[in-house]
Amino acid sequence: ETVMTQSPATLSVSPGETVTLSCRASQSVGSNLAWYQQKPGQAPRLLIYSASTRATGIPAHFSGSGSETEFTLTISSLQSEDFAIYYCQQYSNWPPGYTFGQGTKLEIK
Amino acid sequence: QVQLVESGGGVVQPGKSLRLSCAASGFSFSSYGMHWVRQAPGKGLEWVATIWYDGSNEYYADSVRGRLTISRDNSKNTLYLQMNNVRGGDTATYYCAGTYDSSGYGWFDPWGQGTLVTVSS
Repeated sequence: ETVMTQSPATLSVSPGETVTLSCRASQSVGSNLAWYQQKPGQAPRLLIYSASTRATGIPAHFSGSGSETEFTLTISSLQSEDFAIYYCQQYSNWPPGYTFGQGTKLEIK
Repeated sequence: QVQLVESGGGVVQPGKSLRLSCAASGFSFSSYGMHWVRQAPGKGLEWVATIWYDGSNEYYADSVRGRLTISRDNSKNTLYLQMNNVRGGDTATYYCAGTYDSSGYGWFDPWGQGTLVTVSS
């Protein structure tokens, strides 16, 4: 099973700042990685797929990069609505299964 | 608009059964691979199961194989999760999600709003 490790677990930042969230895979997943945003009481929402492609309707201040085992999600000029939990997910080593990272919580400083 | 609406959650006793449903609308359900993903209270996301567009193949997480069964009825645009012999570790919000690829390979979009299953005596 491919283990996805996200860091940090929690990030305290101020609106307007730029942040970088990290996701590491235990083995290569190529570019087969997605990022999701989840706000309290809501379902996850797809942000990025294929490591760097923004999903439909996702603002340009979200960007993804990386390949193989190291990936990042960068959020520029943080807005109040961006404070949420972010998950990465690999879909490379399939089947047998998909795996998610444990999440990074972005909170207001 | 694209929509997935789960139902069927509730409180169930350990060892009992429950069936979740997910009604799809606004997209070509019968051509999408479909999934169930769960999230225990205060925890992260855990993939549970995947089914091909035509129901011909199913895949399960080790933690649920043999107890949970994914199925679909394309004539009703509905996805199901039959939960048998439930245990405390099954307590979670269950989300259905779709993948454009008919085999279910790829990223998950769209997602339903989730239905909460609580296993308790």
